[in-house]
Amino acid sequence: DAKTTQPNSMESNEEEPVHLPCNHSTISGTDYIHWYRQLPSQGPEYVIHGLTSNVNNRMASLAIAEDRKSSTLILHRATLRDAAVYYCIKGGNKLVFGAGTILRVKS
Amino acid sequence: DTGVSQNPRHKITKRGQNVTFRCDPISEHNRLYWYRQTLGQGPEFLTYFQNEAQLEKSRLLSDRFSAERPKGSFSTLEIQRTEQGDSAMYLCASSSYRGKYNEQFFGPGTRLTVL
Repeated sequence: DAKTTQPNSMESNEEEPVHLPCNHSTISGTDYIHWYRQLPSQGPEYVIHGLTSNVNNRMASLAIAEDRKSSTLILHRATLRDAAVYYCIKGGNKLVFGAGTILRVKS
Repeated sequence: DTGVSQNPRHKITKRGQNVTFRCDPISEHNRLYWYRQTLGQGPEFLTYFQNEAQLEKSRLLSDRFSAERPKGSFSTLEIQRTEQGDSAMYLCASSSYRGKYNEQFFGPGTRLTVL
């Protein structure tokens, strides 16, 4: 089962929006799109998930393409505490992690 | 703190020894997952339980690995005859599955070093 495709790393300035892209061209109709992040020396942390519609929560927004083959995680105002590895995952309850995107936030 | 807890946080052992890790999930979470993470990689799924039943095991879980969740609460992961390749962070997660989407809550992990 193919994993998702994400850039290896991205950089952002503090207080600016960040758009983290993800390709999941092999997604099936029942697969969720999940985003987790992992701060240094911690276990992963849930960020957001979606199925077909765009989603917003207190941490982020998730924009899902109409064909569901790609999505974008949006952090509206990056802070230094958002520096982490962000994982985009497709599937059900068993999470299949890729290498993720290392997000660096500059002050 | 009512999050997922794992013990020990660090374990150093010699090759060939057996080790056991414990995971205490969030109270009343019926699903419990084990993952393994090596440096620079994302976590890899190992196995998961719904209550006390082990529902899926990855092919990564060789015969030397065994996981149990005897009363549907805490879980243990045992590695027999450890090898240097077993050195990794072992992560536990739990979730409350009620037929719909359920986010997983991860513990801080147990870092295993096999000398």
